[in-house]
Amino acid sequence: QSVLTQPPSASGTPGQRVTISCSGSSSNIGSNTVNWYQQLPGTAPKLLIYSNNQRPSGVPDRFSGSKSGTSASLAISGLQSEDEADYYCAAWDDSLNGSVVFGGGTKLTVL
Amino acid sequence: QLQLQESGPGLVKPSETLSLTCTVSGGSISSSSYYWGWIRQPPGKGLEWIGSIYYSGSTYYNPSLKSRVTISVDTSKNQFSLKLSSVTAADTAVYYCARQGTTVTTPLIDPWGQGTLVTVSS
Repeated sequence: QSVLTQPPSASGTPGQRVTISCSGSSSNIGSNTVNWYQQLPGTAPKLLIYSNNQRPSGVPDRFSGSKSGTSASLAISGLQSEDEADYYCAAWDDSLNGSVVFGGGTKLTVL
Repeated sequence: QLQLQESGPGLVKPSETLSLTCTVSGGSISSSSYYWGWIRQPPGKGLEWIGSIYYSGSTYYNPSLKSRVTISVDTSKNQFSLKLSSVTAADTAVYYCARQGTTVTTPLIDPWGQGTLVTVSS
């Protein structure tokens, strides 16, 4: 299983606000920043949020990130059908000489 | 605009070595202080970081794969490469190359290549 824990699925109706959680430990989220990636069906992942809460240019402000202690969250407000995708959190883990660790991914369904 | 493209065999036999190359265009690997990495995704599963290399050649590997992985860089060709030895069916995955960011501890992975499916089968 993945070092970072995400719920396998989430859902919402258009216009709703949904949140996706990412739980880690002191060696990863607790001491390093969190990034979030969006993977639309059949495509490569795309950077969605970096440094816990920063949006790259071009990412709508409907997407926001936060971090507290050893957990992080991705929030999507004003849910749209095109937001249906897999979402992954990632962070550096300081254990075992260090490595990037990902969450298992959350499949977001827009009902 | 920076673009990355993976290339290499789509089929590898068990126990052999998987070899992939990532060609970077729209920017120079050696002119910027970035890490360059490999990530894989088994069919229907999540993402797994394989490792990354700095333009100067220093490397970081996933501890679970470290004994089988070698990542190298060829700045003259603006390419970096992945070798994974002693492959099994469990190594079947889409392999992505990507730019990883200016510090290895803040894995800001962007952009990504389109990915290439490598199947391990006899």
